[in-house]
Amino acid sequence: EIVLTQSPDFQSVTPKQKVTITCRASQTIGTSLHWYQQKPDQSPKLLIRYASQSFSGVPSRFSGSGSGTDFTLTINSLEAEDAATYYCHQTSSFRTFGQGTKVEIK
Amino acid sequence: EVQMVESGGGLVKPGGSLRLSCTASGFTFSNAWMNWVRQAPGKGLEWVGRIKSKYDGGTTDYPEHVKDRFIVSRDDSKNTAYLQVNSLRTEDTAVYYCATGDVMDIWGKGTTVTVSS
Repeated sequence: EIVLTQSPDFQSVTPKQKVTITCRASQTIGTSLHWYQQKPDQSPKLLIRYASQSFSGVPSRFSGSGSGTDFTLTINSLEAEDAATYYCHQTSSFRTFGQGTKVEIK
Repeated sequence: EVQMVESGGGLVKPGGSLRLSCTASGFTFSNAWMNWVRQAPGKGLEWVGRIKSKYDGGTTDYPEHVKDRFIVSRDDSKNTAYLQVNSLRTEDTAVYYCATGDVMDIWGKGTTVTVSS
């Protein structure tokens, strides 16, 4: 099983700050890595597919990068509505998720 | 509008079974791969099964720890995917979501399964 490890687990950020979340895979997965946002009591929403492709309707402040084993989700100029838990997810071999990164607004 | 609605959750005793349903609309269901993902209270996301479209073979895949107890199926005539969950344990208590696509791009709102005596 491919294990995805996110860091940090929690981040408290002021509005307009830049947020960086990393996801490391236990083995190489090419670019089969996707990012989701989940707000409390809501289902997850796809933000980024295949490491860097923005999903339809996602604000441009969200971007992704990386390949192989190391990936990054960046939120430029954080807004209050971005308070959520973010998950990475791989589809290279079966499917697994990272443990999540909770982003709180200060 | 693309939409998926899960149903069939509820309270069940340990050792019991449930069949969850996911009914889709707004897209060509027969072409879609369907996934089931669960989330235990206060925990992260866990993939528990997938069925490919019949066009792609209709095969199923599961993570090792549920493959003997969970069964994913589909009825394209009803635009519905199913998750049969057997020999339920307290640790199966979770919200169960269906999500469409190889990359899960659209999710339902989930149905809650509570396993308790």
